[in-house]
Amino acid sequence: NAGVTQTPKFQVLKTGQSMTLQCAQDMNHNSMYWYRQDPGMGLRLIYYSASEGTTDKGEVPNGYNVSRLNKREFSLRLESAAPSQTSVYFCASSPPGDTDTQYFGPGTRLTVL
Amino acid sequence: QKEVEQNSGPLSVPEGAIASLNCTYSDRVSQSFFWYRQYSGKSPELIMSIYSNGDKEDGRFTAQLNKASQYVSLLIRDSQPSDSATYLCAVMPRVGNEKLTFGTGTRLTIIP
Repeated sequence: NAGVTQTPKFQVLKTGQSMTLQCAQDMNHNSMYWYRQDPGMGLRLIYYSASEGTTDKGEVPNGYNVSRLNKREFSLRLESAAPSQTSVYFCASSPPGDTDTQYFGPGTRLTVL
Repeated sequence: QKEVEQNSGPLSVPEGAIASLNCTYSDRVSQSFFWYRQYSGKSPELIMSIYSNGDKEDGRFTAQLNKASQYVSLLIRDSQPSDSATYLCAVMPRVGNEKLTFGTGTRLTIIP
């Protein structure tokens, strides 16, 4: 049971490049989330998905798109990366009937030059 | 005004003492409150949740909630060097709402 996994662990992009951050969970959780964490700003919700086939915007969705590919996987895409998107990105999931408890993945450290 | 406010610290506490971490929130209708621990370079980990006014104890950790004052705290008794981490306060407007709002965290250092 690997829990929540994220790939890649580190990534450097140039301004304007695109990339997809991958997240998968093997705990049969329904809800999945994407956060970004910046110094002095705390964790902020980008998008979340309450179940397969549904997604909703969080606090800071601009510049991002998401796909809930199936129950296990929830990806985050940056279509045209900007330096302001330099951050640590965390994926999380929560079990059915207990959305108050969120389990976080190890994070992806992204730098946009 | 930030929705969830914490003193960023650093807070230094001698080993064996009580560490007290505080958090205030602005949304009066908030129902669910959480404390996450985050070690440097690692992901957040849920350590306590509290929903009702009063105290909730779990081992060396006690969460305290006062909805009238919009105040949540975390007490760590018999602090250990392994408690050195950043502690994040998080608030959810309704039980099961799924949208957590985090504070910026308080960095705690336990001095041996």
